[in-house]
Amino acid sequence: EVELVESGGGLVQPGGSLRLSCAASGFTFSRFWMNWVRQTPGKGLVWVARIHSDGSTTSYADAVKGRFSISRDNAEDTLALQMNRLRADDTAVYYCAREGGGYGAYYFDSWGQGALVTVSS
Amino acid sequence: QSVLTQPPSASGTPGQRVTISCSGGSSNIGGNTVNWYQQLPGAAPKLLIYNNNQRPSGVPDRFSGSKSGTSASLAISGLQSEDEADYHCATWDDSLNAWVFGGGTKLTVL
Repeated sequence: EVELVESGGGLVQPGGSLRLSCAASGFTFSRFWMNWVRQTPGKGLVWVARIHSDGSTTSYADAVKGRFSISRDNAEDTLALQMNRLRADDTAVYYCAREGGGYGAYYFDSWGQGALVTVSS
Repeated sequence: QSVLTQPPSASGTPGQRVTISCSGGSSNIGGNTVNWYQQLPGAAPKLLIYNNNQRPSGVPDRFSGSKSGTSASLAISGLQSEDEADYHCATWDDSLNAWVFGGGTKLTVL
């Protein structure tokens, strides 16, 4: 069974840093693109970052570009999101999501339970 | 402000059919497939419809999706109380080089 488990969330002051991790199991992690998606309480989903299956290519939403860094360790089946220079509007639940599909049709077919990040003084 | 536009709320009575719309543009819905996610209260999102109209294994056939031009729709027939959830549409945007979502629609079963 596919499982994604996030960890590392918590309370951090504005300007601070936090590193989220996502442990994957139940599938061949190295074959899939992976993503981070966040959700402000009571609001919609917002895509944050994406990484190629071999880690060679990354992309970011404009709101986090230059401050966040996505990475992966295919030997350990883990995904990470390093978040620097955090701001109050980064407060959200962060989900890791597996990108499945093929032949032009891609989608997030598995999601973690989410990790709450609160940026506040 | 979300790139894709969804109504913030929808409602129906048990047994009724409801539809939720998702509007975009040529760089997103117009050129790519649309996915829908169901998010039950307090839970993570779950894939509901992919590739415009395909259901993952385990999703009841009461749920169906369609796409036309730069808009997509999710239809739920035979509405049940357990369908009360938030529904999010999503697709890839070729101009932004990013995944984009709608703002989500909160479905209430009256």
